Amino acid sequence: GENVEQHPSTLSVQEGDSAVIKCTYSDSASNYFPWYKQELGKRPQLIIDIRSNVGEKKDQRIAVTLNKTAKHFSLHITETQPEDSAVYFCAASKRSGGYQKVTFGTGTKLQVIP
Amino acid sequence: NAGVTQTPKFQVLKTGQSMTLQCAQDMNHNSMYWYRQDPGMGLRLIYYSASEGTTDKGEVPNGYNVSRLNKREFSLRLESAAPSQTSVYFCASSDKDSYSNQPQHFGDGTRLSIL
Repeated sequence: GENVEQHPSTLSVQEGDSAVIKCTYSDSASNYFPWYKQELGKRPQLIIDIRSNVGEKKDQRIAVTLNKTAKHFSLHITETQPEDSAVYFCAASKRSGGYQKVTFGTGTKLQVIP
Repeated sequence: NAGVTQTPKFQVLKTGQSMTLQCAQDMNHNSMYWYRQDPGMGLRLIYYSASEGTTDKGEVPNGYNVSRLNKREFSLRLESAAPSQTSVYFCASSDKDSYSNQPQHFGDGTRLSIL
């Protein structure tokens, strides 16, 4: 089955700096890669996603890149702010029979230091 | 529009007790999912329902059962709770698209402790 590895597990950056979180996946059939942000005690919320026919996608300070050949995808947050502090999860997804099979990474705890 | 609603938010059980976690979505989504979240292990799929009337096992189904009551509701039952089932449980739903995957929308979670 699919295996998603996420690094680093914790990341501390100064406010205003950039943060990068990297994920690798094993199943070449995966074709959809969402990223979720989870604040302490809250639900995971989708912040950005990318499909396999696209190499890069940007939404304001957040960007995601995908390298299908290497099976790598990354989340980039620029000009970090204290409210970016949270746990971020990557995921790899594919159609399997009648449902969407999603495998999550183990999460990165991002701390933005004011 | 509430999205995905889970009840209860917190629950403490004794070993061997049973309980049902409730989930309802108002987005007319076809697919619904139950995950558990444990420290350092991300989200792991327990059961899913691709559409009304169907349910299937996910990665960690042992000790759980589910019911897809109708298109809106998907419940998770612990028949005989064990301390290893102490976790945060999330319900999620997603729309069905024949051509591409769709993002999952999560509820607020149920924090379950089993003593």
